[in-house]
Amino acid sequence: QSALTQPASVSGSPGQSVTISCTGTSSDIGYYDFVSWYQQLPGKVPKLLTYDVTKRPSGVSSRFSGSKSGNTASLTISGLQAEDEGHYYCFSYTGTSAPWIFGGGTKLTVL
Amino acid sequence: EVQLLESGGGLVQPGGSLRLSCVTSDFAFRSHAMHWVRQAPGRGLEWVSFISESGSTTSYAASVKGRFTISRDNFKNSVFLQMSPLRAEDTAVYYCVRDLILGALDHWGQGALVTVAP
Repeated sequence: QSALTQPASVSGSPGQSVTISCTGTSSDIGYYDFVSWYQQLPGKVPKLLTYDVTKRPSGVSSRFSGSKSGNTASLTISGLQAEDEGHYYCFSYTGTSAPWIFGGGTKLTVL
Repeated sequence: EVQLLESGGGLVQPGGSLRLSCVTSDFAFRSHAMHWVRQAPGRGLEWVSFISESGSTTSYAASVKGRFTISRDNFKNSVFLQMSPLRAEDTAVYYCVRDLILGALDHWGQGALVTVAP
């Protein structure tokens, strides 16, 4: 199964909001609500931002929010800050014999 | 503080074998499923393998199925990844990851570098 589809890059200015999309199929994102998002800052280990589409772990800023419509999940980052610059990955359950899959990743640039 | 510490990485020739270990601490290990996730140099994240809390259920990415084996020891709070035969495309940093619930990967190790080259 191919990776979930994310835009290669997005950008925004400090204080603005950006949304990163993650497109799957009716067999993964469209069927299950087990979608999570991860932030990987340069040289760092990935960090969980949201899970079960909309839930946020304790300690994660409310500036990060997840949503889903049909076969597409989205991560919205509001009030962009310079320290948000890095890569973002979606992750979904697929229900197949290889049941988990990442998106290809999106590089966020804060202008 | 939850900790995951991988070991066993290194340089190996194509066709060779490696066994990664991940020792965990400061959480109820037997209550959490675990994953291995890898990242090739300059590339994105790739899910590799999953093991359920008891170890009775395992799954693998198509790219490693039949070559890698995941296992766990709930008495030693450890998870393992046996890899053989290795290919050049298996070169990556391998992360041991805790599953909070149904694919919420909430704690990651620092990673173990595996390099497959002649």
